[in-house]
Amino acid sequence: DGGITQSPKYLFRKEGQNVTLSCEQNLNHDAMYWYRQDPGQGLRLIYYSQIVNDFQKGDIAEGYSVSREKKESFPLTVTSAQKNPTAFYLCASNSGGASSYEQYFGPGTRLTVT
Amino acid sequence: AQKITQTQPGMFVQEKEAVTLDCTYDTSDPSYGLFWYKQPSSGEMIFLIYQGSYDQQNATEGRYSLNFQKARKSANLVISASQLGDSAMYFCAMRGPNTNAGKSTFGDGTTLTVKP
Repeated sequence: DGGITQSPKYLFRKEGQNVTLSCEQNLNHDAMYWYRQDPGQGLRLIYYSQIVNDFQKGDIAEGYSVSREKKESFPLTVTSAQKNPTAFYLCASNSGGASSYEQYFGPGTRLTVT
Repeated sequence: AQKITQTQPGMFVQEKEAVTLDCTYDTSDPSYGLFWYKQPSSGEMIFLIYQGSYDQQNATEGRYSLNFQKARKSANLVISASQLGDSAMYFCAMRGPNTNAGKSTFGDGTTLTVKP
């Protein structure tokens, strides 16, 4: 079955540690995205990538970093510079073509930093 | 810049009745897409329905329909014959043309509770 996988579902870290969230897709999609969701709020764009080896900052990129070395993978690193890292993180992808209106989402990773 | 406004933080509906979730948007792009997603307590985002800015007819998908009023910049979601499983958070979202890298802007969501 095609889709997006994110692991782990729940992640706990101590303050001051960097942590990397995994996102893998087997949909052969060109574009991938990372969103952050805080309780009771909508999604905010962290980073996005339209093609391998290229990515752009979204609206709230400070304290985060990404890489796109392979088409199917778009890992997100939450660095110690991110002041409030505890949140729900969602990865998404779409084909990037003219008719690619639907974004497919992964199941998300809930990160708790104490 | 794109903006989505959902003015109803919470809504209640009786089982088997219809409910309308409001969404207004703002954009200067002539070409855009409007979406509704359902997010149950598990956190997954479930795509419900899509409306293109040039579509002449309102989109429908089973019990979901989108009341698109372009001049008023509104894209309300109508759920007919509500079921208990419809209880979830609902997000309205917008995507610009491909030149905008397909980025989506989301509203803050509406929590729908279906009462038996």
